[in-house]
Amino acid sequence: GENVEQHPSTLSVQEGDSAVIKCTYSDSASNYFPWYKQELGKRPQLIIDIRSNVGEKKDQRIAVTLNKTAKHFSLHITETQPEDSAVYFCAASRRQGAQKLVFGQGTRLTINP
Amino acid sequence: EAGVAQSPRYKIIEKRQSVAFWCNPISGHATLYWYQQILGQGPKLLIQFQNNGVVDDSQLPKDRFSAERLKGVDSTLKIQPAKLEDSAVYLCASSSSGADTQYFGPGTRLTVL
Repeated sequence: GENVEQHPSTLSVQEGDSAVIKCTYSDSASNYFPWYKQELGKRPQLIIDIRSNVGEKKDQRIAVTLNKTAKHFSLHITETQPEDSAVYFCAASRRQGAQKLVFGQGTRLTINP
Repeated sequence: EAGVAQSPRYKIIEKRQSVAFWCNPISGHATLYWYQQILGQGPKLLIQFQNNGVVDDSQLPKDRFSAERLKGVDSTLKIQPAKLEDSAVYLCASSSSGADTQYFGPGTRLTVL
């Protein structure tokens, strides 16, 4: 079955700098890759997603890139702000059939003022 | 639109007791998921329903966990008897039929003593 590895497990950056979180997946049939943000004690919130027919997607300060050949995808946050501090999870699934999301282990991002 | 609702938000039980969690998905969402999130890890799918039928329950410990979605709307997840290792947050999520975006509820934090 699918396996998703996420790195780093913790990341600390200065406010205003960029943050990058990377994930690799094992199932070449996976074609949907969402990123969730989870603040302490709260539900995971979808922040951006990418489908395998595109290589990059941007939404204001957040971008995701996908390399299907290498089976990895990354989350890029620019101009980081204190409210970006949270745990971020990547996930992968197939879009057909049982759309089971397999999550990475999470990255705790801390933005230092 | 109203989000995914879950109750209770917190539950503390002793090992070998039973417990039940309830989920009400977003109105009109045919697909419902139950995830287990152990502290410090990403969510892991336990069971997926499409309307009132089970699509995937391969990671559900069926000797102690059961779930149902009788009328294709609300769902309950039950654990009987509970073990210490069942301490986790149980998240419910839902999605529209054929859509890949999953929306999560606030979760139920279970502590087994």
